[in-house]
Amino acid sequence: GAGVSQSPRYKVAKRGQDVALRCDPISGHVSLFWYQQALGQGPEFLTYFQNEAQLDKSGLPSDRFFAERPEGSVSTLKIQRTQQEDSAVYLCASSPGVAVSYEQYFGPGTRLTVT
Amino acid sequence: AQSVSQHNHHVILSEAASLELGCNYSYGGTVNLFWYVQYPGQHLQLLLKYFSGDPLVKGIKGFEAEFIKSKFSFNLRKPSVQWSDTAEYFCAARPPQTGANNLFFGTGTRLTVIP
Repeated sequence: GAGVSQSPRYKVAKRGQDVALRCDPISGHVSLFWYQQALGQGPEFLTYFQNEAQLDKSGLPSDRFFAERPEGSVSTLKIQRTQQEDSAVYLCASSPGVAVSYEQYFGPGTRLTVT
Repeated sequence: AQSVSQHNHHVILSEAASLELGCNYSYGGTVNLFWYVQYPGQHLQLLLKYFSGDPLVKGIKGFEAEFIKSKFSFNLRKPSVQWSDTAEYFCAARPPQTGANNLFFGTGTRLTVIP
């Protein structure tokens, strides 16, 4: 079946622009995660949704970052007034349940470059 | 700070050589541990995971990992690597925090297998 998809795959933004990154999780998956992966680093947690509820946003680096999942399926990560340090790959992962034993399935990521 | 450490940044091996990639974590209590692989141009995929029970975990493609609680380690091994194992390998942990479903990743180890 279809995996997690993300769009766009690549995004170039000028400093100060707003961007929106989309994640389509696997159908029926309850949990959805966003991670940020800087060059040469491992993914770092940004935020977590259980259905439409954002249960954890402790990893969002600033109030310029905002995520939503209004209908409990597709999620959007929005970054306002982008800065160069926002350049990274943004990964989305989904999981079929809420128990910690469930595997997270990752999407291909969106590579954001801020110039 | 609590973390996941991967000390090998880049490993180069010839085909048929044995592989061991180090992973250490600093969380106490019952920790869920994972190894993910990212082949060139592809998304993160789960290789194996440890939750409890037998500390020697077998995963896909001939990989295995051993959980050694006394050493806070979860090293990945493969007795004989192939050129197709060339990829980036990430160790990850889910610490025993209530309600925390997100993963904490190491910085990754790039494996290059020479034919």
